[in-house]
Amino acid sequence: EDQVTQSPEALRLQEGESSSLNCSYTVSGLRGLFWYRQDPGKGPEFLFTLYSAGEEKEKERLKATLTKKESFLHITAPKPEDSATYLCAVLETSGSRLTFGEGTQLTVNP
Amino acid sequence: DGGITQSPKYLFRKEGQNVTLSCEQNLNHDAMYWYRQDPGQGLRLIYYSQIVNDFQKGDIAEGYSVSREKKESFPLTVTSAQKNPTAFYLCASSLTGVTNSPLHFGNGTRLTVT
Repeated sequence: EDQVTQSPEALRLQEGESSSLNCSYTVSGLRGLFWYRQDPGKGPEFLFTLYSAGEEKEKERLKATLTKKESFLHITAPKPEDSATYLCAVLETSGSRLTFGEGTQLTVNP
Repeated sequence: DGGITQSPKYLFRKEGQNVTLSCEQNLNHDAMYWYRQDPGQGLRLIYYSQIVNDFQKGDIAEGYSVSREKKESFPLTVTSAQKNPTAFYLCASSLTGVTNSPLHFGNGTRLTVT
C-alpha cells in the first residue's frame, strides 16, 4: 500500500528563518510527486510536480527537490504570508489516484 | 475567470437526512473528484469521474453517491448511511485525469451533521 508521511506536523519559523519540510513516500514506482499549499478554510492550491529523482522546481521563496524516497520543500527567507499547510501527494506508476500526506502546518511569525 | 465553485460553504443537517453538495467547474476539464478532509488525516478520495456519465469509487465511497450528467457538474450526495459525515469536502478537477495534470480544487464545503 502506498504511504506518504510528512514531517514535521507543525513548524514555527521567524520571518527570514529558512527551513525545509519533508515528504517521505513508499510506492512501487513513482509517476509523480505533487506539492500543494492550503490556506485555512480553502482548497489546496497547486505548487509543483516532480517526476524523477534529482529534479528541482522553484517558485519565489519555495524550492522543491526529489530523491528516490523523499521530497523536500525548502523555504528560503519566509514571510508571514507563507504561513499555510503544505500538502504532498504521490502518484504511483500503475495508479490513477493520488495518495496524500497529512500535511505540515507552517507558521511564520513577523 | 475559470475555476471550481462549491456551494454552500457551510452546511448543517440533522442525522438521518441526505444532503447534496454542489460542484461546478468552468475549466473545461474532463476529470472531476471528491475528497474528504478530516483533521490529522490526508485527503481521502470518495469518488472520481474521468468522463461524462461515468464515475468510479474511491477509497471511502460507502455512504456517498455521485452523478456526472454534465461535464461541468459533479454533485455529491452524503446519505444517511454515511456513519461519520461531518467533515470538510473538497471537489477538484483536472484536464485529462490526474496522471497527466495537477488537480485544481474548489474552496470546499464544511458539512456538520448533528
